[in-house]
Amino acid sequence: EAGVTQFPSHSVIEKGQTVTLRCDPISGHDNLYWYRRVMGKEIKFLLHFVKESKQDESGMPNNRFLAERTGGTYSTLKVQPAELEDSGVYFCASSQVTGLNTEAFFGQGTRLTVV
Amino acid sequence: QKEVEQNSGPLSVPEGAIASLNCTYSDRGSQSFFWYRQYSGKSPELIMFIYSNGDKEDGRFTAQLNKASQYVSLLIRDSQPSDSATYLCAVIPSGTYKYIFGTGTRLKVLA
Repeated sequence: EAGVTQFPSHSVIEKGQTVTLRCDPISGHDNLYWYRRVMGKEIKFLLHFVKESKQDESGMPNNRFLAERTGGTYSTLKVQPAELEDSGVYFCASSQVTGLNTEAFFGQGTRLTVV
Repeated sequence: QKEVEQNSGPLSVPEGAIASLNCTYSDRGSQSFFWYRQYSGKSPELIMFIYSNGDKEDGRFTAQLNKASQYVSLLIRDSQPSDSATYLCAVIPSGTYKYIFGTGTRLKVLA
């Protein structure tokens, strides 16, 4: 069974440009999460989808970030326009059910560098 | 005060020794606690989770939870060089389903 896959694995863009990250969760997983790790800091929550609905977007930094999950399958995270402080590793995770003791499976991350 | 705190390390232990990794959290209502292992450049992978006070064992790994002290730990017995990685403590606070992570502890097992 395929795990959580993220595209691209690396992206280098200039400040002011737009970047779109994609996440394909494990098939059948209704829950999809986006997290981000800025260098030297902890992995921080961005938002949580249940199917196509945003359950919790309290971690989204500002309105330059837009996440979508079309049809409850894959998800995209767009950053427009990108700023230097957006650099970091963006992780996607998925889980089968919504619950307190549910394992979240992580993708390998997209390393975003804004120059 | 950070929500989840870990010593960043590195923690160095000789092969065959017990490695002890510690984590404290601030939300007293937190209910679920997870330990993930992350090799450099790879995705975090779950080692185990715990939600009741006490110990939970799985092979060479033992998670310990003390809710009164707001403390969770991971013991790795008979440490192997392949255990060298960053260990992430994650907590699900009350009223939410999101993970709050610590910064991770880098473990080095010396052959």
